[in-house]
Amino acid sequence: SSELTQDPAVSVALGQTVRITCQGDSLRIYYASWYQQKPGQAPVLVIYNKNNRPSGIPDRFSGTSSGNTASLTITGAQAEDEADYYCNSRDSSGSLVVFGGGTKLTVL
Amino acid sequence: QVQLQESGPGLVKPSETLSLTCTVSGGSISTYYWSWIRQPPGKGLEWIGYIYYTGSTIYEPSLKSRVTISVDTSKNQFSLGLTSVTAADTAVYYCARLTTTVTTGYFDCWGQGTLVTVSS
Repeated sequence: SSELTQDPAVSVALGQTVRITCQGDSLRIYYASWYQQKPGQAPVLVIYNKNNRPSGIPDRFSGTSSGNTASLTITGAQAEDEADYYCNSRDSSGSLVVFGGGTKLTVL
Repeated sequence: QVQLQESGPGLVKPSETLSLTCTVSGGSISTYYWSWIRQPPGKGLEWIGYIYYTGSTIYEPSLKSRVTISVDTSKNQFSLGLTSVTAADTAVYYCARLTTTVTTGYFDCWGQGTLVTVSS
């Protein structure tokens, strides 16, 4: 079972802002990273180490963290942002890697 | 730019051993950690384990008794072995590069994934 908890599904109107959350005790110690996965494709890193974007990721993607919750915010969601989003971090021991269960984002 | 490519059988019989190899191109396998992750059909991502180029490994506890990850620096490859497979091991298997810092660990390069089906 995952030590990181995500809402299974979230929806957003085109052009609006959406926040996807990830909760877990280890997030009080370690930062989360976020991945976007479209059907039939490998995951793509969109935010790492709390709020860093890899090259090529639009600046409408941002990350925040508070207490045991990490958040991925998409400001001005686009149709192409419709995908599954996963968070990951280390577990509380620091040795293992954990993923959240994933959130399916629908852009209306 | 580093690229990863998984290879291996797409069909494995129950109780047998699943074996996959990940070839790293465009960069050296040395210095980084390398990981295997899987995704059962219609489900989420599951981390399997990682290896440092020196050969030290860490495995997901629930799979630890059945998993072996090894590295061949001369070939710029690392491999996954999973014994006594069942239908529950049917999944897309990804190899990925793990970058670790004191504050986190994240996967910044992924292979395209390979579907492994366990069936007789």
